[in-house]
Amino acid sequence: DAKTTQPPSMDCAEGRAANLPCNHSTISGNEYVYWYRQIHSQGPQYIIHGLKNNETNEMASLIITEDRKSSTLILPHATLRDTAVYYCIVRPGSYNTDKLIFGTGTRLQVFP
Amino acid sequence: GAVVSQHPSRVICKSGTSVKIECRSLDFQATTMFWYRQFPKQSLMLMATSNEGSKATYEQGVEKDKFLINHASLTLSTLTVTSAHPEDSSFYICSVQTSGRYEQYFGPGTRLTVT
Repeated sequence: DAKTTQPPSMDCAEGRAANLPCNHSTISGNEYVYWYRQIHSQGPQYIIHGLKNNETNEMASLIITEDRKSSTLILPHATLRDTAVYYCIVRPGSYNTDKLIFGTGTRLQVFP
Repeated sequence: GAVVSQHPSRVICKSGTSVKIECRSLDFQATTMFWYRQFPKQSLMLMATSNEGSKATYEQGVEKDKFLINHASLTLSTLTVTSAHPEDSSFYICSVQTSGRYEQYFGPGTRLTVT
């Protein structure tokens, strides 16, 4: 069972920041928060992951609350190509090979 | 990131026949490979986990005799859908991972249609 909850859909204007929330209130101390996205009819793509500190890479920023019960993925300047389903997943460890359990995700629609 | 290929990208087969889908890790040796299935407008469902040289571990409800998985090398895993039926029509996606890396890399998927 997925251990995260996300809003089913969100809209964002092109060029604006997209803030995608995720609730993971039962997260354990050794579990990381991962974000993937799936563009229509393609395989998922890794975006970012973190444990408790905020993280940033070339694609996005990840903000994790201090109690680690929720997080927000931020796409700073959304483009039409960012339209996709975004999945927030919690998983033990960072370098292990445990499986990913996908929830229903958030369908982000970026409009012109 | 690692490149993962799947072949074929699309396949149509008749009911009762078997179909083999290949998943190749092109950039690194994948100690673990995963197979997922995705029905229209639904999320990915994990079918099985396979480690090179050992038997696959299937998720509850997935028939191991129907979905045969072979992970014969560190760069190749195959999924064979035996005696396919229309309800097996789906989008099949593999992913690969290796120890020491945190990312799981996904293939582009194979769309199977059983008529």
